[in-house]
Amino acid sequence: IAGITQAPTSQILAAGRRMTLRCTQDMRHNAMYWYRQDLGLGLRLIHYSNTAGTTGKGEVPDGYSVSRANTDDFPLTLASAVPSQTSVYFCASSQGDSSTDTQYFGPGTRLTVL
Amino acid sequence: GQNIDQPTEMTATEGAIVQINCTYQTSGFNGLFWYQQHAGEAPTFLSYNVLDGLEEKGRFSSFLSRSKGYSYLLLKELQMKDSASYLCALMDSNYQLIWGAGTKLIIKP
Repeated sequence: IAGITQAPTSQILAAGRRMTLRCTQDMRHNAMYWYRQDLGLGLRLIHYSNTAGTTGKGEVPDGYSVSRANTDDFPLTLASAVPSQTSVYFCASSQGDSSTDTQYFGPGTRLTVL
Repeated sequence: GQNIDQPTEMTATEGAIVQINCTYQTSGFNGLFWYQQHAGEAPTFLSYNVLDGLEEKGRFSSFLSRSKGYSYLLLKELQMKDSASYLCALMDSNYQLIWGAGTKLIIKP
C-alpha cells in the first residue's frame, strides 16, 4: 500500500544520546516535512525539503538535522537529545508543485527523552 | 506575523450539526486547509479553500472569508466516529503550512 512509513513507532531515549527517526514515502512526492506535535500547540515545522538534495529550516530547527539523499527518504537526527525534545514527530510529504499542495502524514513517532 | 485561533474543545450530540471556527491573521495567504486527527493517529486531509465561499464534501463543508480572516468547518449528521481533533492550517506566502492548535470535538450519544 502506497504511503509514508516512519520508524520507530515509539522510543525512550536517555538525554545526550543520538537518535535518527526514519521516514520513507513511495508516492514519488517531491516535498517532505518533519513536524513535532505537543499538547496544546499546533504542529510545528522542524525542517523541510522541497526536492531531493535540498533542505530548509522550519519554525523550530534547533537541535535537529535532516538530509535528503534521494526522493523517498528523509531522516531526522537528534544529535544530542534533551528532555524538551519529548514529543510526537510526524513526517509528511506532498507533490510540492502548486499552492493546492496537500500534505500526507506518516503514522508518527512518539519520542520520550529522559 | 501569523496567528491562528480555534476553540480548544467542543461538544455535540450524535445526529446534530456542529460548526468549528478558525480565525487567522497573516501577511501572506495561499489557502486554508482543514485536517482531521483521531487520538493517537496522523492528521488526514479534509478540505482546502483558497477562494471565498463554501466547499461541500458529503457531510463536511468548509467556508472561507479572506476579507474577515475567517473559516469554518461544518459537520452534519454527526456520527460517533467524528470524535476527533480538527486542525485548521493556512498556507503562507512561502507555501508552508501554519497550524492552529486544533479543536477537540466530543460527540455524545
